[in-house]
Amino acid sequence: DAGVTQSPTHLIKTRGQQVTLRCSPKSGHDTVSWYQQALGQGPQFIFQYYEEEERQRGNFPDRFSGHQFPNYSSELNVNALLLGDSALYLCASSLAKGLSGELFFGEGSRLTVL
Amino acid sequence: DQQVKQNSPSLSVQEGRISILNCDYTNSMFDYFLWYKKYPAEGPTFLISISSIKDKNEDGRFTVFLNKSAKHLSLHIVPSQPGDSAVYFCAASRRGITGTASKLTFGTGTRLQVTL
Repeated sequence: DAGVTQSPTHLIKTRGQQVTLRCSPKSGHDTVSWYQQALGQGPQFIFQYYEEEERQRGNFPDRFSGHQFPNYSSELNVNALLLGDSALYLCASSLAKGLSGELFFGEGSRLTVL
Repeated sequence: DQQVKQNSPSLSVQEGRISILNCDYTNSMFDYFLWYKKYPAEGPTFLISISSIKDKNEDGRFTVFLNKSAKHLSLHIVPSQPGDSAVYFCAASRRGITGTASKLTFGTGTRLQVTL
């Protein structure tokens, strides 16, 4: 049973560039959430996608956008990168109707902005 | 505004002893709490959870206690093992009447080191 997979695992960008991160949810899961984890901090919620729509959004600017595809996979896009966007980006999947509230996380994509 | 706080950045415990990790929250709307464990270069993995209608939940060596009046929860690991060495994150969410979890709000984590 494949867990949550993310790509790429590491990438380096320069300020002003754009980046796309990808996520495939755990088999059977229909909801994908994205989190940003800065160094020494806990993960911070960016947004959540269900049925190809953004359902919830955290306190992140519009430079952060996403998409969910019919096969439940998802992309996170960040435009006009800033140095402060350097972080580990975590994708988590879950079942919308699941009662446990448990999220399954991928290993993350580590973004460095120079 | 940090709604979930883990005030101890690190904790060192001897193998076989009890590890107690603490977490405080400020938002009284939170009704579901979880603990995640994170090893280096891996994503967080779910450990144990508790609903606000309970004050204790146990799973093997792991027990979570919830004190709603104090807005405080703790994770007890007994006995502690070297493989428990990791960063532990406390998280909270609002499930509400639908029972389905919404976004998680995480603390900053506590690094547990279990020594031989």
